[in-house]
Amino acid sequence: EVQLVESGGGLVQPGGSLRLSCAASGFTFSNYWMHWVRQAPGKGLFWVSRINGNGVSTRNADSVKGRFTISRDNAKNTLYLQMNSLTADDTAVYYCARDMSLSGDDPRFDYWGQGALVTVSS
Amino acid sequence: DIVMTQSPDSLAVSLGERATINCKSSQTILYSSSNKNYLAWYQQKSGQPPKLLISWASIRESGVPDRFSGSGSGTDFTLTISSLQAEDVAVYYCQQYYNTLPTFGQGTKVEIK
Repeated sequence: EVQLVESGGGLVQPGGSLRLSCAASGFTFSNYWMHWVRQAPGKGLFWVSRINGNGVSTRNADSVKGRFTISRDNAKNTLYLQMNSLTADDTAVYYCARDMSLSGDDPRFDYWGQGALVTVSS
Repeated sequence: DIVMTQSPDSLAVSLGERATINCKSSQTILYSSSNKNYLAWYQQKSGQPPKLLISWASIRESGVPDRFSGSGSGTDFTLTISSLQAEDVAVYYCQQYYNTLPTFGQGTKVEIK
């Protein structure tokens, strides 16, 4: 059974940092592109970041470029999102999601974690 | 970025009746070489992550009831629930993947009338 379990969320002050983790199981993690998608309270879905199977190719949304870094450890079957210089606008539930398109060329998400809540507030 | 716009923002439908959700993209998401529309639909129930319902605008994922159907091409798409059930109460999102940086519609909330 495919499982994605996020951790590392919490309350952080503006300008602070946080690292999210997503532990994957039930599939060959290194074969899949992985993504982070966030959802602000009461709002819609917003794609944040992606990484290919071997971790070499990454891309961020413009709104987080230079502040967020996606990475993965295939030996640990774990995806990460390092978030720096956080602002109130980054407050959201952060989901890790598996890309069902093995090539990464047509990204859509067949498995999602339950999400990690990140609250940026003083 | 490709902007996805859904309508309506919410709708209330009686049990057993049809629900129709529209999604419009700011540019075509039909790849002419493959004749495929790069559009997915998701269902998100309260307190849960999204669930992929449909890919390629009209292909239901495994296990999705056949009362859910997708249609459309180019820039205009529709998700139809042919006979609304109580368990279909949720927010529905469209997502384009024509651009490898995916974008979502703002969501349509479906409720029981």
